[in-house]
Amino acid sequence: DTAVSQTPKYLVTQMGNDKSIKCEQNLGHDTMYWYKQDSKKFLKIMFSYNNKELIINETVPNRFSPKSPDKAHLNLHINSLELGDSAVYFCASSLPGSGANVLTFGAGSRLTVL
Amino acid sequence: GEDVEQSLFLSVREGDSSVINCTYTDSSSTYLYWYKQEPGAGLQLLTYIFSNMDMKQDQRLTVLLNKKDKHLSLRIADTQTGDSAIYFCAETGGGYQKVTFGIGTKLQVIP
Repeated sequence: DTAVSQTPKYLVTQMGNDKSIKCEQNLGHDTMYWYKQDSKKFLKIMFSYNNKELIINETVPNRFSPKSPDKAHLNLHINSLELGDSAVYFCASSLPGSGANVLTFGAGSRLTVL
Repeated sequence: GEDVEQSLFLSVREGDSSVINCTYTDSSSTYLYWYKQEPGAGLQLLTYIFSNMDMKQDQRLTVLLNKKDKHLSLRIADTQTGDSAIYFCAETGGGYQKVTFGIGTKLQVIP
């Protein structure tokens, strides 16, 4: 069983469209994340949810809206897609406590905006 | 704010040791991590070190931390072709244990 699964793995769409990426984890973790990895492999955090509550919201355009229906799921909806949104989006989860915050990543969703 | 820097590329011969370096700016960093990303895959944790330690060894991997200089390194002994990947340094510090990643070092192992 995949620990952190994302769908779809590949997404090709036109500028201006709206699309969603879904993420599910079966690890019992409390915290989930969205990271964006650009073409230069730079990995930047976008959002983090802890038990369905938004706790990290980096400087991300309002066109990106995360939703966490329960602590095992975190979805990312993107409105009015732009060329610069092309990237690989990684979902991750963790169980942060007083020790190390070890992230378990999904395989990524490669978004290409034409 | 937090900033994590790494060199972009490292090439080594199979069987040699690889040393990947990282510097960070956040003096409140509590844990520092090394992740590995193979092509087309997500990142996988290799190892981590608590900020009050200066060394950690795990089989072929040795992590060295110089907290004064905010310098972290990962040594891979007897590097194999399967070690070819991108290696990310990361740190947690501040609220919510936010994990900040470096830009990644691409390790190429030449047979």
